[in-house]
Amino acid sequence: AQKVTQAQTEISVVEKEDVTLDCVYETRDTTYYLFWYKQPPSGELVFLIRRNSFDEQNEISGRYSWNFQKSTSSFNFTITASQVVDSAVYFCALSEGISGTYKYIFGTGTRLKVLA
Amino acid sequence: NAGVTQTPKFRVLKTGQSMTLLCAQDMNHEYMYWYRQDPGMGLRLIHYSVGEGTTAKGEVPDGYNVSRLKKQNFLLGLESAAPSQTSVYFCASRPTGRHQPQHFGDGTRLSIL
Repeated sequence: AQKVTQAQTEISVVEKEDVTLDCVYETRDTTYYLFWYKQPPSGELVFLIRRNSFDEQNEISGRYSWNFQKSTSSFNFTITASQVVDSAVYFCALSEGISGTYKYIFGTGTRLKVLA
Repeated sequence: NAGVTQTPKFRVLKTGQSMTLLCAQDMNHEYMYWYRQDPGMGLRLIHYSVGEGTTAKGEVPDGYNVSRLKKQNFLLGLESAAPSQTSVYFCASRPTGRHQPQHFGDGTRLSIL
C-alpha cells in the first residue's frame, strides 16, 4: 500500500539556520510523482514542487532545494538561510500509477517554526 | 484569478443539522477533490470527481455526500452533522494530464457542537 511518512512533527530553528524536512514514501509502482506543499498560518495550501520517479536530479529554487533518492525512498526538502516567512506546515504527497492515479496520499505534515 | 473558491469560510452547526459546502473553480479543471484536515492526521480524501456527473469515494467518505452537476462546482453535503465532523475542509482541483498538481481553496472551518 502506498504511504507517506513525515516523521518530524514540529521543528524549530533560529532565523538564518538551514533546515531539512524529511519525507519517506512507500509504493510498489515504478511510475509515481512526489509533491511538496506549504501551508502558511493563513491556511491555504501552496504547491511548491513536483518530481517524477524517473528524474532523480536534485532541484534548487532560490533558498529551497529538494533531494530525491529512490534508493532510500526519500524526497527531502531543505530550506537554506531560513526566514520567519518560512514558518508553515509543509506537506509531502505521493501520486502513483502509470495511468495517472486520481488521488494523492499526503503525509501528516511538518510544522516549521522559524524564530527571529 | 479566483482559482478555487470555497463557501463558506467558517460555519458552526449543531449536531444533527445539515449543510452544504460549495467549491467552485474557474480553471476548467476536470478533477475535483474534497479533503478534511485534522490535527496530526494531514489531509484525508473524502470524495473526488473525475468529471462532470461523476463522483467516487475517498478514504473517509462516511457521513458525507457529494455532487458534481456542473464541471466548475463540487458540493460536499453533511446530512446530519456530528461532532466528529468538526474539521477544516479543503477543496482542490487539477487539470487532466498525468499527476498534475492540485490547486487548493482556502478551506472551510466547520465546528459541530
